[in-house]
Amino acid sequence: EVQLVESGGGLIQPGGSLRLSCAASGLTVSHSFMNWVRQAPGKGLEWVSLVYTAGSRYYADSVKGRFTISRDNGKNTLTLQMDSLRAEDTALYYCAGGDYDRAPLDYWGQGILVTVSS
Amino acid sequence: QSVLTQPPSVSGAPGQRVTISCTGSSSDIGAGFDVHWYQQLPGTAPKVLIYGFNNRPSGVPDRFSGSKSGTSASLAITGLQAEDEADYYCQSYDTSLSAVFGGGTKLTVL
Repeated sequence: EVQLVESGGGLIQPGGSLRLSCAASGLTVSHSFMNWVRQAPGKGLEWVSLVYTAGSRYYADSVKGRFTISRDNGKNTLTLQMDSLRAEDTALYYCAGGDYDRAPLDYWGQGILVTVSS
Repeated sequence: QSVLTQPPSVSGAPGQRVTISCTGSSSDIGAGFDVHWYQQLPGTAPKVLIYGFNNRPSGVPDRFSGSKSGTSASLAITGLQAEDEADYYCQSYDTSLSAVFGGGTKLTVL
């Protein structure tokens, strides 16, 4: 059974940084299609970033230049480094994965809340 | 980056058929990228309902089906049940190899 567990969220001031982690079991992060998806309170899903199995990374325009996705193969963990945070980054952040590139996102974590506020 | 457009809400009575549209462009759905559909119940993570236009994961009833035509895709739900009340999202990719979600559609079972 695949489990994805996010951590690292919390309350942060505008302009600050946070690092989210997604610990995987039952799935090898380095061989999977991994994404971060967020959902602002009461709003819809918004794709944030992905890393293809070969390692290429892509970002939504809203976070490009501020967020960095990476894989820690030794820890089987996906991370999202979030810098220069803004109020509009406030959301529940999900780690989500699929079995191949552009696969349906079959595996989701429970989500971790990030609140950007002074 | 692309935008996929869904109606904000749809509704139907139990037993009826409803459809949810997902309109894209020649840069995403029209470019031949797969469309996946997700169901999100309140307070839970999304779940795959349809993948690759019209494939259902095991456990998803055949009341749910997907289709695609040109730059649009649709999700159809027949024999509507109270438990189908949820938010539904389409998802695809675009020629910049980024992913994109539709804005979501809230289904109300009357």
